[in-house]
Amino acid sequence: GQSLEQPSEVTAVEGAIVQINCTYQTSGFYGLSWYQQHDGGAPTFLSYNALDGLEETGRFSSFLSRSDSYGYLLLQELQMKDSASYFCAVRDKSTESGYSTLTFGKGTMLLVSP
Amino acid sequence: DVKVTQSSRYLVKRTGEKVFLECVQDMDHENMFWYRQDPGLGLRLIYFSYDVKMKEKGDIPEGYSVSREKKERFSLILESTSTNQTSMYLCASSPGRIYNEQFFGPGTRLTVL
Repeated sequence: GQSLEQPSEVTAVEGAIVQINCTYQTSGFYGLSWYQQHDGGAPTFLSYNALDGLEETGRFSSFLSRSDSYGYLLLQELQMKDSASYFCAVRDKSTESGYSTLTFGKGTMLLVSP
Repeated sequence: DVKVTQSSRYLVKRTGEKVFLECVQDMDHENMFWYRQDPGLGLRLIYFSYDVKMKEKGDIPEGYSVSREKKERFSLILESTSTNQTSMYLCASSPGRIYNEQFFGPGTRLTVL
């Protein structure tokens, strides 16, 4: 089966840099996504890595190492509004009809303090 | 902007009642998904649909069914609710064969008493 491991909680202060790790075990693999969810809100897409390396989007970057089955989300210049839950998700298996779905990790709650 | 709407934000039902949760997206997306979200368990896929009238089971389909009669609308049906179906239900959509970026609705918090 598929499994993803990420820390349940991370704390940091404003202006700092934080890294949220995600390791995965899947029967197939097409890519790793990251989603942000504020308390009471809907998950929103942040990034996607299909190939090894670092993808940068503003203050957020995402890294993937396929050989290590590992990725991380890097948040720089932390702001209070970054306090949220962050989910990694793998696009893994193909279904009988040839479509693939996302399997989500359990989420990491990031608490940013002043 | 893609907009995914869900029929209710909060619902309270009694055990054994039938529940319809509706989801509508306005961006002509082919794929639609239903997840449930529980504390400490993340998002788990119940069902998804890649075309009108087409559906496939996700990881936890037991106790649920779905309907997709129109491209923009995907309904989740709980035929006879039980207390273990108390959860946050999230609908999502994505275009074509792009599955990594999904657009989520605001969710329906269902409580079954």
